[in-house]
Amino acid sequence: AQRVTQPEKLLSVFKGAPVELKCNYSYSGSPELFWYVQYSRQRLQLLLRHISRESIKGFTADLNKGETSFHLKKPFAQEEDSAMYYCALTDFGNEKLTFGTGTRLTIIP
Amino acid sequence: DTGVSQNPRHKITKRGQNVTFRCDPISEHNRLYWYRQTLGQGPEFLTYFQNEAQLEKSRLLSDRFSAERPKGSFSTLEIQRTEQGDSAMYLCASSFPPSGSSYEQYFGPGTRLTVT
Repeated sequence: AQRVTQPEKLLSVFKGAPVELKCNYSYSGSPELFWYVQYSRQRLQLLLRHISRESIKGFTADLNKGETSFHLKKPFAQEEDSAMYYCALTDFGNEKLTFGTGTRLTIIP
Repeated sequence: DTGVSQNPRHKITKRGQNVTFRCDPISEHNRLYWYRQTLGQGPEFLTYFQNEAQLEKSRLLSDRFSAERPKGSFSTLEIQRTEQGDSAMYLCASSFPPSGSSYEQYFGPGTRLTVT
């Protein structure tokens, strides 16, 4: 069974400091990994996906198959980064997204 | 607003009553998904449609739950004989997968169900 683990429910970081939100997964196939974000009073939206290798809003995430991790990083936190972040995976060709429990990131001014 | 819409946004019902939620996807999207999210958890997959065909159902979807997408456009999720454990946020998402492996699901605002 596929599983996504986000070990931190809450994370507080000072503005300007680096951010790392951890995500580990267990899956035997070839997963596609995503980060979704939910800002206050907004709907869940895609932040980035590993296959596109983009940097969105200064965030990056590298898929490490050896460590089965997909940590989300940003070198300098901004106040507008405060939000709920969910790591998710799906198998190629399978439409079902499996989400982690989420990490609430708070940026301290 | 051309995003995914869900109605109602909030529903309070008494245990044992039936409820129905509606989801209107983005117009050109042929895939539609339902998820359920309880407090402190991430969204959990319930079911999905490609056009009008329901292609997968989670074991979470008991016999009291039924979903339809009769014309391949909007979808309804009905819960019969509601139980307090059904209290959750019900999320709908839609997508139009491009060629290749990567796609994005666009989420609606959700319907918050409270069973008293």
